[in-house]
Amino acid sequence: SQTIHQWPATLVQPVGSPLSLECTVEGTSNPNLYWYRQAAGRGLQLLFYSVGIGQISSEVPQNLSASRPQDRQFILSSKKLLLSDSGFYLCAWNLEGALREQYFGPGTRLTVT
Amino acid sequence: RKEVEQDPGPFNVPEGATVAFNCTYSNSASQSFFWYRQDCRKEPKLLMSVYSSGNEDGRFTAQLNRASQYISLLIRDSKLSDSATYLCVVTLYSSASKIIFGSGTRLSIRP
Repeated sequence: SQTIHQWPATLVQPVGSPLSLECTVEGTSNPNLYWYRQAAGRGLQLLFYSVGIGQISSEVPQNLSASRPQDRQFILSSKKLLLSDSGFYLCAWNLEGALREQYFGPGTRLTVT
Repeated sequence: RKEVEQDPGPFNVPEGATVAFNCTYSNSASQSFFWYRQDCRKEPKLLMSVYSSGNEDGRFTAQLNRASQYISLLIRDSKLSDSATYLCVVTLYSSASKIIFGSGTRLSIRP
């Protein structure tokens, strides 16, 4: 069966510091991968998605970036965090050509201070 | 107009009651529809897909109305454990791997 991992689970970082969040998927090949952010009490905002290694589409211009160095690995980064980057970061996967339901990792709760 | 709209609630209903949510979508090219539930401070989890003919899973029934561009979720005999936020999700096949989430409807079941 497929599983998705995210780490760290929680993170407290000062403004201006860098960020690296990692997501890996097991038990499937060539998944679509997604990064979302959810601010407190709000809906999910799609940040990036990837249909293959090295292929990244950005949905919202901001100080974040994403990379997909391996088929089942997705990384979210920032060189300098802003207060507004605080939120719940969720990684998700689905398969092309399937029903396209998504499966989410447990998330990383980021607080920028 | 938002691409996917939901009544944010909260819906506060007694245990055992029947409750229904609607979700409207703006893009007629939308092809796939889902309901997710999200517990407080947890990730969303797939509740059920929504098929054109409607579908049922135990106490949960989902319906799709393409003409009016909305989907619905009906929960019968609600349990305390049904308390959560319910997210409506719409997928556009016209855009590669593009999935749009509603902001969610909060449901609270009281004893």
